[in-house]
Amino acid sequence: ETGVTQSPTHLIKTRGQQVTLRCSSQSGHNTVSWYQQALGQGPQFIFQYYREEENGRGNFPPRFSGLQFPNYSSELNVNALELDDSALYLCASNRIGDRVYNEQFFGPGTRLTVL
Amino acid sequence: QKEVEQNSGPLSVPEGAIASLNCTYSDRGSQSFFWYRQYSGKSPELIMSIYSNGDKEDGRFTAQLNKASQYVSLLIRDSQPSDSATYLCAVPQGGATNKLIFGTGTLLAVQP
Repeated sequence: ETGVTQSPTHLIKTRGQQVTLRCSSQSGHNTVSWYQQALGQGPQFIFQYYREEENGRGNFPPRFSGLQFPNYSSELNVNALELDDSALYLCASNRIGDRVYNEQFFGPGTRLTVL
Repeated sequence: QKEVEQNSGPLSVPEGAIASLNCTYSDRGSQSFFWYRQYSGKSPELIMSIYSNGDKEDGRFTAQLNKASQYVSLLIRDSQPSDSATYLCAVPQGGATNKLIFGTGTLLAVQP
């Protein structure tokens, strides 16, 4: 167990709906990254939040948005859901400034199914 | 060329054998490299980090890094059926974003 928690565990939505996924970072970590993992693929970087601001973004459209709160927890919001958004959504936390760079620890993930 | 490449497998080894997993990367400026293990239906678990050329050992796991050849590998000694999983190689893209680029993963099957 990494100490990173995510909710909900599973979610079923229909095309066009909106969804919010939540993540609590590991104690002592100040950075949260979100990844999308399609079946049979490696995780794909969506974006990262540090000090409550977006700190880098992957090749995802603007309908993917996020927030980070003062307690370092984070939300991922996806609007206008498409069938291809069906995937495992992973949250990872780390601490920028640590000597051990970039070690990111993943939460259990949220499995999103879009029908 | 993909940024991080791995053989998708499956790699099948008998119990007790050495499993060798390989990864190549394209960014010569990469400074840190990670191996994650992912069981079916679960999230990735960090099992090894390596930053310097050479070998790093942790229990039955050894990571090997060759920056000149842009190659990182993971050896699993005395493979157990419980090691059966997908192994993901990850490399930060660089800059301040700590964005991890993952390979597609190698599926390892340890046969009892």
